[in-house]
Amino acid sequence: DSGVTQTPKHLITATGQRVTLRCSPRSGDLSVYWYQQSLDQGLQFLIQYYNGEERAKGNILERFSAQQFPDLHSELNLSSLELGDSALYFCASSDNYGTALNTEAFFGQGTRLTVV
Amino acid sequence: AQKITQTQPGMFVQEKEAVTLDCTYDTSDPSYGLFWYKQPSSGEMIFLIYQGSYDQQNATEGRYSLNFQKARKSANLVISASQLGDSAMYFCAMRERNTGNQFYFGTGTSLTVIP
Repeated sequence: DSGVTQTPKHLITATGQRVTLRCSPRSGDLSVYWYQQSLDQGLQFLIQYYNGEERAKGNILERFSAQQFPDLHSELNLSSLELGDSALYFCASSDNYGTALNTEAFFGQGTRLTVV
Repeated sequence: AQKITQTQPGMFVQEKEAVTLDCTYDTSDPSYGLFWYKQPSSGEMIFLIYQGSYDQQNATEGRYSLNFQKARKSANLVISASQLGDSAMYFCAMRERNTGNQFYFGTGTSLTVIP
């Protein structure tokens, strides 16, 4: 158990809808990362938050947004969903920003989103 | 330019043999860390091994070792005595000090262990 909790594990929704994916990081971790993994693809970095602030942005669509709350949990909001958004969405957490390079990112189990 | 390159989409290895999964990286930051993760078919991401840019020796963790060639910017994963349970996707990743802990991942290598 990595200590990172993602809910829900599975989500099936229709095109055009909006969903929210939730992530609770490992206790003490201030950084949260979101990744998208489409079928047979690598991990596409979406966005990183550190202690409530956005730190880095990757290939995140404008229809997607995220935030990190004061209790450090994070939510990824996906709107106007398209078939191509079907993927496994991972949240990962790690420690301090810009210091400990040797600490790995701890991944949640992922949320498998299916858009029909 | 890609930060992490994994050129082997798929690899096969006989059970009990050793296998090397390739990873090259691109950075101008002298301080960085390199990671390997395993993703079995169940989907979770499992951390395997870490190598720091200043580490003098190659990292080892059980049957996993990292062949770190700094001048070539390569960080290949060696799995010794392959087991059927090693069949999975393997991802190489890097973290740079200057980009504040963001993890860059490669596209992965699918390893199949043949009985």
